[in-house]
Amino acid sequence: SQELEQSPQSLIVQEGKNLTINCTSSKTLYGLYWYKQKYGEGLIFLMMLQKGGEEKSHEKITAKLDEKKQQSSLHITASQPSHAGIYLCGADIKSSGTYKYIFGTGTRLKVLA
Amino acid sequence: EAQVTQNPRYLITVTGKKLTVTCSQNMNHEYMSWYRQDPGLGLRQIYYSMNVEVTDKGDVPEGYKVSRKEKRNFPLILESPSPNQTSLYFCASSWDRGYNSPLHFGNGTRLTVT
Repeated sequence: SQELEQSPQSLIVQEGKNLTINCTSSKTLYGLYWYKQKYGEGLIFLMMLQKGGEEKSHEKITAKLDEKKQQSSLHITASQPSHAGIYLCGADIKSSGTYKYIFGTGTRLKVLA
Repeated sequence: EAQVTQNPRYLITVTGKKLTVTCSQNMNHEYMSWYRQDPGLGLRQIYYSMNVEVTDKGDVPEGYKVSRKEKRNFPLILESPSPNQTSLYFCASSWDRGYNSPLHFGNGTRLTVT
């Protein structure tokens, strides 16, 4: 089973609508990262969250990490076609005493103009 | 400009013909890693390197080799490619692999093995 579950798998929204993508783990997330990938291209780092309850914003994108550090959400306000792409969460978890970096399977976002 | 550079971007080859995908970073990062991305399977780690001359297997290392002779370069070698290695490959680097160190990715190499 996936250690980092992302939902939804895909999302189609009308331009101007708000949307939320979730990233959940059964383990403590020591560092939580959000990336955006344009189709067939590299991943671009968006934001990093470290502390429980932390929230960061950049332009119209807000990311939060819950107090228990097991769930993060990415919220896009007033979506635009430029927001389209694949959003992936990545996280550091502890496995057998060492940090391991894992990824969610991604959320494919399409924004209709 | 700080970046991770992968080459080539696209590669079509035949089964058994050795190939190398190059990766170079100009950020003096200690940690480098290779991933493959396949539909429905997400990003899976192939090999990683904590520093020069230090490499280790990731989750899917079979059929691949790496080397880290210099800090900036981390080539991925497929000695005898097979069709199941057709995939989108990414090289990534970060300051270290403790935690709270985001990965910086290259633009990817799309490999097709026929």
